[in-house]
Amino acid sequence: KNEVEQSPQNLTAQEGEFITINCSYSVGISALHWLQQHPGGGIVSLFMLSSGKKKHGRLIATINIQEKHSSLHITASHPRDSAVYICAVYTGANSKLTFGKGITLSVRP
Amino acid sequence: GAGVSQSPSNKVTEKGKDVELRCDPISGHTALYWYRQSLGQGLEFLIYFQGNSAPDKSGLPSDRFSAERTGGSVSTLTIQRTQQEDSAVYLCASSLRAGEGYEQYFGPGTRLTVT
Repeated sequence: KNEVEQSPQNLTAQEGEFITINCSYSVGISALHWLQQHPGGGIVSLFMLSSGKKKHGRLIATINIQEKHSSLHITASHPRDSAVYICAVYTGANSKLTFGKGITLSVRP
Repeated sequence: GAGVSQSPSNKVTEKGKDVELRCDPISGHTALYWYRQSLGQGLEFLIYFQGNSAPDKSGLPSDRFSAERTGGSVSTLTIQRTQQEDSAVYLCASSLRAGEGYEQYFGPGTRLTVT
């Protein structure tokens, strides 16, 4: 079993829809990253959080440490949001990230 | 300012040959990470450097893989006697320091194909 699980694996939405992407992890963590990877490979860090909730534009990330779960929400989705969204965790014992396999999101116009 | 750069962007090599992949981190970033992304797989940690400390090599899959970081800046990942299973995108990232409080900035990656 992977230490970081993401669901669903693939997601298709219509432009304007509210989207939720989930991440569950099975180990104790000190922080969690949400990353975005566009076709062509470039990876951008969206959020880094260890508790509560963060918001940036149309993106909201939440984390529940007790339940070992995080969600990434996209409001008013747009085709340019189409990308792979990757969840990664720091386990605290070291400075290494452990990654989920990512979720491929397609937003149709 | 300049981000993390990697070269080459694509590399095709024959099985058994050695390859070197280069990473130029953001100036002033003391931590540098190498990751591998195989087709259909998630990102996989390989090695990281923090300042002048000994690197954490715990993710290197075999002794054919090695990495250096010269002068605390540029890093080279070397794969000796390449195998077909080494085909992947190799990503480099840097951060101000290693650890969960610091955002990692990723390079565009090097796509390695071993024929």
